[in-house]
Amino acid sequence: DIVMTQSPATLSVSPGERVTLSCRASQSLSSYLAWYQHRPGRAPSLLIYGASTRATGIPDRFTGGGSGTEFTLTISSLQSEDSAVYFCQQYDTWPPTFGQGTKVEVK
Amino acid sequence: QVQLVEAGGGVVQPGGSLTLSCAASGFAFSSFGIHWVRQTAGKGLEWVAFIRYDGVNKFYADSVKGRFTISRDNSKNEVHLQMDSLKTEDTAVYHCARGIWIGTPGHWFDPWGQGVQVTVSS
Repeated sequence: DIVMTQSPATLSVSPGERVTLSCRASQSLSSYLAWYQHRPGRAPSLLIYGASTRATGIPDRFTGGGSGTEFTLTISSLQSEDSAVYFCQQYDTWPPTFGQGTKVEVK
Repeated sequence: QVQLVEAGGGVVQPGGSLTLSCAASGFAFSSFGIHWVRQTAGKGLEWVAFIRYDGVNKFYADSVKGRFTISRDNSKNEVHLQMDSLKTEDTAVYHCARGIWIGTPGHWFDPWGQGVQVTVSS
């Protein structure tokens, strides 16, 4: 199975700051990568698919990038409602696999 | 509103059984495959099972193969996950999720249900 590794595990950031999360794959995915946001008490929600395409209704402060084995999710100006765990998922190879997540705390 | 809602979680002894359900609304249910994904604090997210839109093809993670059975009833917009021979390591929050495929090798997931807790403990 493809192993997905996310870093850092936790971030504590002030509102308005820029945040970049990393997701690395154990083998090339082309651009078959999705990002999700999981807020406490809510269902996980899709942010990005195809490595860089925002899902419907996702604010443009969320930007996905990368290809191959290295991917990033950037939040350009952090808002309080962005406090959540963010995780990546590859869909290049069956079975789908996930990173362990990055917890973003807004100070 | 596109929505998935899980039910049926609970506490069960090792070796026991439990059946989860996933009720869908707001979309053409019979046109989409549905996945189960579980989440634990220690192992993170793990894909568990998938059933194709018509129920013909089913796939399972190696960790649950032979113990879990996924099924669907398109007349009721429901998917079920029957879990037998449960182990303590099956303890997790179980989410159902709609699989999205547009000619890609695999699926991404949208939406997800909020999840239901399954605890396997004596």
